Amino acid sequence: GDSVTQMEGPVTLSEEAFLTINCTYTATGYPSLFWYVQYPGEGLQLLLKATKADDKGSNKGFEATYRKETTSFHLEKGSVQVSDSAVYFCAPDENPGSSSASKIIFGSGTRLSIRP
Amino acid sequence: DAGVIQSPRHEVTEMGQEVTLRCKPISGHNSLFWYRQTMMRGLELLIYFNNNVPIDDSGMPEDRFSAKMPNASFSTLKIQPSEPRDSAVYFCASSYNTGTGTGELFFGEGSRLTVL
Repeated sequence: GDSVTQMEGPVTLSEEAFLTINCTYTATGYPSLFWYVQYPGEGLQLLLKATKADDKGSNKGFEATYRKETTSFHLEKGSVQVSDSAVYFCAPDENPGSSSASKIIFGSGTRLSIRP
Repeated sequence: DAGVIQSPRHEVTEMGQEVTLRCKPISGHNSLFWYRQTMMRGLELLIYFNNNVPIDDSGMPEDRFSAKMPNASFSTLKIQPSEPRDSAVYFCASSYNTGTGTGELFFGEGSRLTVL
């Protein structure tokens, strides 16, 4: 099955710093790729996604580009805010062409803390 | 619109007791996932259903765990007997599968279980 490796946290940055959280995956096919975010005390919520190679997902100033050649989907933001403090999860959908639901396996999560 | 609803939000029980966690997915969604989150193991997929049918339960830790989905609007995760190592936050998530993979997962707020 597919697997995903995320940059280990915690990551601590100052406000307005540039952010990169690395994510690489292994897959037999061409998965759809997702980033989810978990704010304290809440469940995960979708941040952005990309469904094919070279697609760029973006939301709330965050971006990630589906790189098939490096099997990566790194999350970036040009200027982070205190409100971005959360845990970020990378996740491939191993069978995006399936007619039924497929496994969504999450990475280990990267805790991000932003200092004012 | 109501999101995924989980109950109870918090449960404290003693070792050996039966625990039942409940989930109401978003109306119209056809896939349902149970995850467990701990500091040590991160977010683990326990089981998922498509159209109320269990598709993959390979993540269920052992026979003490069981899950059911008697209809499209309700699922339970049962632990009997419970053990201290079952202490975790249990998340339910649902999605609408359109024949192109799982799509966006919508998470509940989680059920925090403490087994003494």
